[in-house]
Amino acid sequence: DAGVIQSPRHEVTEMGQEVTLRCKPISGHNSLFWYRQTMMRGLELLIYFNNNVPIDDSGMPEDRFSAKMPNASFSTLKIQPSEPRDSAVYFCASSTGLFDRGRNSNQPQHFGDGTRLSIL
Amino acid sequence: QQPVQSPQAVILREGEDAVINCSSSKALYSVHWYRQKHGEAPVFLMILLKGGEQKGHEKISASFNEKKQQSSLYLTASQLSYSGTYFCGTDIQGAQKLVFGQGTRLTINP
Repeated sequence: DAGVIQSPRHEVTEMGQEVTLRCKPISGHNSLFWYRQTMMRGLELLIYFNNNVPIDDSGMPEDRFSAKMPNASFSTLKIQPSEPRDSAVYFCASSTGLFDRGRNSNQPQHFGDGTRLSIL
Repeated sequence: QQPVQSPQAVILREGEDAVINCSSSKALYSVHWYRQKHGEAPVFLMILLKGGEQKGHEKISASFNEKKQQSSLYLTASQLSYSGTYFCGTDIQGAQKLVFGQGTRLTINP
């Protein structure tokens, strides 16, 4: 079975340019998560969607960051304009998001291979 | 609030045991454990729900103490393949919003 697919795997661009990261979740998964990982801050949740609807974007660092999920099989994370401090590995993850006793935290999250972003 | 993991790093010889702890300042609904090898994505190991249950995965098991708001990951008879950074992710709402600890780097030497 295909896992979570992210593209590109690596991105190097100059400060001020627009960056778009893409994610295809596992088929049948209805929850999607965007994470950022750096040495200083570790693994941080930026935003997550449930059934294509953004549920919590409190982790998005600032207005330069935006995320969309136009359908169940595709999501984008956009940075405009990009800055050197945005350099990090960005992971997308998905899960089934099934509810159990009114909660849905008991499902594993499956991570994509990540996009290593370098802003010069 | 980010959970606190301890130790930050541990070095073992193959066959030795290790315990990694994850403590939270808030009441937890669940704890997730992941392992990440260098340059790779985090890989799911197990989920612990409140209730103190213990789960196992090969020779890796974990416990969850709801009262103490902490979870422990146990690796017995460690293998070279266990090397990597272990992260706990804590959920206080039951909504899959995980906050990850800073990680514990485990090195297994022959």
